[in-house]
Amino acid sequence: QVQLQESGPGLVKASQTLSLTCTVSGASLRSAGSYWTWIRQHPGKGLEWIGYIYYSGRTQYTPSLQRRLSISLRTSDNQISLTLTSVTAADTAVYFCAKGTITRGSPSGMDVWGQGTTVIVSS
Amino acid sequence: SDELTQPPSVSVSPGQTARITCSGDKLSNEYAYWYQQKSGQAPVRIIYKDKERPSGIPERFSGSTSGTTVTLTISGVQAEDEADYYCQSADVNSDNWVFGGGTKLTVL
Repeated sequence: QVQLQESGPGLVKASQTLSLTCTVSGASLRSAGSYWTWIRQHPGKGLEWIGYIYYSGRTQYTPSLQRRLSISLRTSDNQISLTLTSVTAADTAVYFCAKGTITRGSPSGMDVWGQGTTVIVSS
Repeated sequence: SDELTQPPSVSVSPGQTARITCSGDKLSNEYAYWYQQKSGQAPVRIIYKDKERPSGIPERFSGSTSGTTVTLTISGVQAEDEADYYCQSADVNSDNWVFGGGTKLTVL
């Protein structure tokens, strides 16, 4: 059974760098066809796709965050990391990581989600 | 445009059929996915590739597509189906993904 668990500082000061980790159990980050996605949800709002990283290491980021965002695989720890620089209050949200798989040549969506970690940016 | 448009809310009585639409220019060429999010919980995938239902998802959930609109249909709605529902799609050209704004389903 695949499980994902997000972790992070909870509170970060404005202008600083946010670092989050998603620890995966029951699956290998390098499993062919797999991709790992970060999604966030602002308080009381909808879901926002942030970016993903494929098992190969290829990444794609949402245009609005591209200059500040980095997603990487730490295969030795079976973790996915997210780094977001120069945070502001607008980055306050619940951050989810999720897993998906390419099936028959196309993404199958996000079939396993973590429970999410809350990030509050303080001034 | 990469935007996906959903109605903010849908209300139905138990046992009736709920239909939640999602519209976007890219949907005529791209797959859609549907997620259910209950209050305080992580989302759950309920439909993928327009109409495929994952194992463990009740048969009352189904997906369909017509042109630039995809529809999530919940037949015989139950009280436990009250949740927020999000569509999601991808743009093969830009490789960007996008979520719709979400629809709150209320079971009266």
